[in-house]
Amino acid sequence: DGGITQSPKYLFRKEGQNVTLSCEQNLNHDAMYWYRQDPGQGLRLIYYSQIVNDFQKGDIAEGYSVSREKKESFPLTVTSAQKNPTAFYLCASSAGTGDNQPQHFGDGTRLSIL
Amino acid sequence: GENVEQHPSTLSVQEGDSAVIKCTYSDSASNYFPWYKQELGKRPQLIIDIRSNVGEKKDQRIAVTLNKTAKHFSLHITETQPEDSAVYFCAAPGSDYKLSFGAGTTVTVRA
Repeated sequence: DGGITQSPKYLFRKEGQNVTLSCEQNLNHDAMYWYRQDPGQGLRLIYYSQIVNDFQKGDIAEGYSVSREKKESFPLTVTSAQKNPTAFYLCASSAGTGDNQPQHFGDGTRLSIL
Repeated sequence: GENVEQHPSTLSVQEGDSAVIKCTYSDSASNYFPWYKQELGKRPQLIIDIRSNVGEKKDQRIAVTLNKTAKHFSLHITETQPEDSAVYFCAAPGSDYKLSFGAGTTVTVRA
């Protein structure tokens, strides 16, 4: 899915530091999502946004924040309140959140603690 | 919300044999069921999906079947090849349209 770009590919966080993961899409999709994937596990939803200037908490939102100021961008901030941030973070987008809307993923950002 | 269970967690098959992965879901309102394939360190990629108005869908060596009454759907891979080795995830939307993913099945195809 070349239309979704995540950066950086690898990111390291120091204690007490906030870090921001970038997600940009040029698919003109309304909905965007952030997932966390831990080794050997499935995808857990952190936040999602159905439309610009609106977003909702997912299942594991604590310690994370997002913004949706532009349709094509949905950055995720991992705050110092997230005590176990080491994981693979995946951004996805879909044409909408209605039924039958496949989600397409970016290449992911791997976050580690220094 | 939707609860999706996926079995088995690991599956090892001889090249050329078939692989079957099964998922169950809890929300009877769900009507869209995608399957994703994730190779090591890469993004999940949509490989096939099925909507509730059909019971089966095929795409070359991959097929998905859906039983809405029993609330389960399955992925079938025939004539497996080494490049089929990956982690496969099923998913189903809940009433709020968020996708819930299964825990994944690691498929290993032995040459």
